[in-house]
Amino acid sequence: DAGVIQSPRHEVTEMGQEVTLRCKPISGHNSLFWYRQTMMRGLELLIYFNNNVPIDDSGMPEDRFSAKMPNASFSTLKIQPSEPRDSAVYFCASSIRHPNTEAFFGQGTRLTVV
Amino acid sequence: QQQVKQSPQSLIVQKGGIPIINCAYENTAFDYFPWYQQFPGKGPALLIAIRPDVSEKKEGRFTISFNKSAKQFSLHIMDSQPGDSATYFCAASRGGTSYGKLTFGQGTILTVHP
Repeated sequence: DAGVIQSPRHEVTEMGQEVTLRCKPISGHNSLFWYRQTMMRGLELLIYFNNNVPIDDSGMPEDRFSAKMPNASFSTLKIQPSEPRDSAVYFCASSIRHPNTEAFFGQGTRLTVV
Repeated sequence: QQQVKQSPQSLIVQKGGIPIINCAYENTAFDYFPWYQQFPGKGPALLIAIRPDVSEKKEGRFTISFNKSAKQFSLHIMDSQPGDSATYFCAASRGGTSYGKLTFGQGTILTVHP
């Protein structure tokens, strides 16, 4: 099993540009989560999906952020327009939607907005 | 609102020592308490987890102690090794539609000197 796959691993973009982060969850997992990690705020949940349906997006910081999951094997997190304060490591995680099961994290995308 | 408070922020021990990391939570609806380990450049990985119906759980050199009445739980690492040097996060989640929606503590940077 290849685990959760995220791309790109690193992204440097200019302020105002659109950024799209991609995630392929583990096959058979039906819950997917997007987290953001910063020194100041730690690990924050942005949004999560069950069976491709967004369940809770209360962690999405602004309307500039959007996430989609068009099928069980792919999800995107888009930031448009990007701002320097969006610089962080973004993690995707997946799990089987069952009580108290492990969430498996990808390696993350380090986003730098200059 | 920070619902899981973790301490200390950093910890330095000698090889063979027993580092202890503490967490406190506020939401009594939480019913799953995992600890994640993160190495630089990697995503968090599940280390050990506990449910509130037990007071202690051991897996190898790692032990979680849980105090439901005090709403606190802690991680003990027995016979710590330099390879245990990493950032450790406690987390909590609750059942129902929120399975897998983890609220993380701020993290503890552990350094184990040879």
